[in-house]
Amino acid sequence: EADIYQTPRYLVIGTGKKITLECSQTMGHDKMYWYQQDPGMELHLIHYSYGVNSTEKGDLSSESTVSRIRTEHFPLTLESARPSHTSQYLCASTAFGSERTEAFFGQGTRLTVV
Amino acid sequence: GQQLNQSPQSMFIQEGEDVSMNCTSSSIFNTWLWYKQDPGEGPVLLIALYKAGELTSNGRLTAQFGITRKDSFLNISASIPSDVGIYFCAGRRFSGTYKYIFGTGTRLKVLA
Repeated sequence: EADIYQTPRYLVIGTGKKITLECSQTMGHDKMYWYQQDPGMELHLIHYSYGVNSTEKGDLSSESTVSRIRTEHFPLTLESARPSHTSQYLCASTAFGSERTEAFFGQGTRLTVV
Repeated sequence: GQQLNQSPQSMFIQEGEDVSMNCTSSSIFNTWLWYKQDPGEGPVLLIALYKAGELTSNGRLTAQFGITRKDSFLNISASIPSDVGIYFCAGRRFSGTYKYIFGTGTRLKVLA
């Protein structure tokens, strides 16, 4: 079982609020990712990191930002939430320097902006 | 844009039937992963494939890495109600990149 955790699981917040979605993994993985997914739809990569102090934007443009100060922690922040940000956010990680590069996912954060 | 086409998009089957789904691309992939996602949860890894032609099983699930490296297949034998969910393929295009592209998903519903 993968050791990657996301908090909160569910969040309902008003427009204009600043929010941070937490993601932590205890597997020592260097690579971490954030995906955005509407219910029942495909996953879109919005941010990724290949190590500490490394962050890149993904294939889907997002107003969110990320940071990677510690290997195990990869939080995502929205400075001013809007209803268009309503979605499920999934965090994932993979091993570094290994031929086996399976991505393991957290349980996700379901964000609703009202 | 979308690079992985997954089919079928959805399927209803009777309990006990075998299920087949596939994932295709116009590009060559180095790694294929298959996931299952239940509503409100994160995807759970089912099978990982790393070599063209590789055939790997996980219980009632069997997946294959296509010889052309542009496709992959997942089969579920003797389906049961708990197989219900969305199945996603994910591909990594070439060594040196660790970004995965996800397919559009196959929504499976099992009729008891």
